[in-house]
Amino acid sequence: GAVVSQHPSWVICKSGTSVKIECRSLDFQATTMFWYRQFPKQSLMLMATSNEGSKATYEQGVEKDKFLINHASLTLSTLTVTSAHPEDSSFYICSARAEGSGGYTFGSGTRLTVV
Amino acid sequence: AQSVAQPEDQVNVAEGNPLTVKCTYSVSGNPYLFWYVQYPNRGLQFLLKYITGDNLVKGSYGFEAEFNKSQTSFHLKKPSALVSDSALYFCAVRTGNTPLVFGKGTRLSVIA
Repeated sequence: GAVVSQHPSWVICKSGTSVKIECRSLDFQATTMFWYRQFPKQSLMLMATSNEGSKATYEQGVEKDKFLINHASLTLSTLTVTSAHPEDSSFYICSARAEGSGGYTFGSGTRLTVV
Repeated sequence: AQSVAQPEDQVNVAEGNPLTVKCTYSVSGNPYLFWYVQYPNRGLQFLLKYITGDNLVKGSYGFEAEFNKSQTSFHLKKPSALVSDSALYFCAVRTGNTPLVFGKGTRLSVIA
């Protein structure tokens, strides 16, 4: 079945630094990937849609200069949290469109803690 | 705009009893409906989907859901709950190739 690998699974960083999260489709090509953010005990909120070879489409209220998305190949999308602050601490999950899983396969998520 | 409502934050059920997790939706056009399960600090695992066809959909781990167009509902059910079913359950909807829109989630607790 379709597998999406997300790395790292958890990361702790200092305020002001940047953190990169990778999302890879292992056995299929994904022209579109999605990045979600999940606050504790809350639902997943779509942050942006990542399109291979073009700029990402950000949801209203998401700062594109803070959450940099790059989708340089059909199997890799990255989310970089720039100049991280404690309020950026959250669980980030990527998703890629694939057949066989309702069309969308999710990564295992990344727990970001900014101290 | 698409939206999903999961009216219950928490559902408690005894092991062996049937369980239901409720979901209603609002979309323009034909809905594609999904259920996912999430364990602590993990991503989402696909359970089942409704795209078209039979209103009763059977999925992974003995779960099923019934699409009811008139009531705009897609409740998740299982005839006999297991302790290992305890997790966070999300209902989601999309139309066409739009991103998934999720409900707020329902925490299921199965008590031995």
